[in-house]
Amino acid sequence: NAGVTQTPKFQVLKTGQSMTLQCAQDMNHEYMSWYRQDPGMGLRLIHYSVGAGITDQGEVPNGYNVSRSTTEDFPLRLLSAAPSQTSVYFCASSLTSGTYNEQFFGPGTRLTVL
Amino acid sequence: AQTVTQSQPEMSVQEAETVTLSCTYDTSESNYYLFWYKQPPSRQMILVIRQEAYKQQNATENRFSVNFQKAAKSFSLKISDSQLGDTAMYFCAFIGERDNNDMRFGAGTRLTVKP
Repeated sequence: NAGVTQTPKFQVLKTGQSMTLQCAQDMNHEYMSWYRQDPGMGLRLIHYSVGAGITDQGEVPNGYNVSRSTTEDFPLRLLSAAPSQTSVYFCASSLTSGTYNEQFFGPGTRLTVL
Repeated sequence: AQTVTQSQPEMSVQEAETVTLSCTYDTSESNYYLFWYKQPPSRQMILVIRQEAYKQQNATENRFSVNFQKAAKSFSLKISDSQLGDTAMYFCAFIGERDNNDMRFGAGTRLTVKP
C-alpha cells in the first residue's frame, strides 16, 4: 500500500492563480480531510469528506473548494490564490469518520503564494 | 468549539532521560478521544498514542505513556529513555464523540533530544 499520497510536494503561485492539490489513498478509507499547518497554530481543518459524493466545511474553508467523486481521491482547489494561503497542506484519511480511528497523513505540500 | 492548548513551545531533554509534554483542552462533551502526534523534520505526521476519555487507565505504547486527568482536562505525554530519534514537533489533538469530523490540534511543542 502506498498509503496517502499528495502531489505536488512544493508549489509557488502568484496571487490570483488557481491550482489543485491532489490527494489519493489506497486503503479504502471512507473519511478524508485537508488541513493547513501554519507556524504557531498547529493543524486546522479546511474541508472533509465522509464518503464519495459527500463533503463538508471545516474550521477554515474560505478560499478552498473540494469534491469527492471516488473513494480514493480528494482534491483541494484554490480558485484565486492569496498570500494568506501560504502554508503547508496535509491530506489525511481514516477508516471512518472521527472518533478513535487513526488518521493517516500524506507527506504534505508546501505552498507559497507571492 | 473545542480548544487544545500546549503551553510549552519548545523543550529539550538529554538522551536517555525522561520528559513530559503538557496539553490541556476545553470541551463540553462527555466522551471524546485524545491523541499525540509526532512530526519529525521529514514533516510526516505519525500517531504516537491515543486515549479514549471514558477509559480510566492511562494509555502506554512502549516508551510513551500519558497522564490523563479528565477532571482537570489535562493530557500530558511522558517519553521515557529519550532517544535522538524522538526529536520532533509533538501535537496534542482532540476529537469529540458528537462532533466527530473535526479534529482540533494544539500549536505543538518542539522537542529536542540532546546527545
